[in-house]
Amino acid sequence: SAVISQKPSRDICQRGTSLTIQCQVDSQVTMMFWYRQQPGQSLTLIATANQGSEATYESGFVIDKFPISRPNLTFSTLTVSNMSPEDSSIYLCSVVGTRGTGELFFGEGSRLTVL
Amino acid sequence: AQKVTQAQTEISVVEKEDVTLDCVYETRDTTYYLFWYKQPPSGELVFLIRRNSFDEQNEISGRYSWNFQKSTSSFNFTITASQVVDSAVYFCALSVRGFKTIFGAGTRLFVKA
Repeated sequence: SAVISQKPSRDICQRGTSLTIQCQVDSQVTMMFWYRQQPGQSLTLIATANQGSEATYESGFVIDKFPISRPNLTFSTLTVSNMSPEDSSIYLCSVVGTRGTGELFFGEGSRLTVL
Repeated sequence: AQKVTQAQTEISVVEKEDVTLDCVYETRDTTYYLFWYKQPPSGELVFLIRRNSFDEQNEISGRYSWNFQKSTSSFNFTITASQVVDSAVYFCALSVRGFKTIFGAGTRLFVKA
């Protein structure tokens, strides 16, 4: 399994501001995934972040709102831009296990509350 | 398109009861993986099990067992002799090419002492 650290673990933000979430993995991984979990809901994939190329966004998510960086094989950031209360969610970073068998390992999540 | 359906939103049982969580999936791919994850009240998602589309063998791990049936596109999860610590949200998930994983809506399990 991979050990994934996310920062911040939680934050309270003002409407209209932006916040960057950091994700650090203890091993090199090709793909990193960013998910959003709105209160009481399931996980929705925001984008796949590959090192050396632009992130691939899912339908309903755009780069201007959720810019992602992937500078190396162990680190990624997700920025939530121009936040509104609807962005209040848990944002989760995940990677595929090192055995390459598809299971995901998750960070502890970043719980954002937008006032 | 892929889809995962967990029809049970919430289940409440008394400790030591057996409980089965249902999962139905849709995909046109012949190669895929199915998963179950647990999200306890602390919030961190924990991987429980993986099955690939070519392996229909059921699996048992302690009090947990999984029943994969391609004929009905189901991958159900049974907890035997449930315990309070089993209280959590359980997600069934599906991944196809590229390891993009989609999750079901989740089933919230309450186990009462």
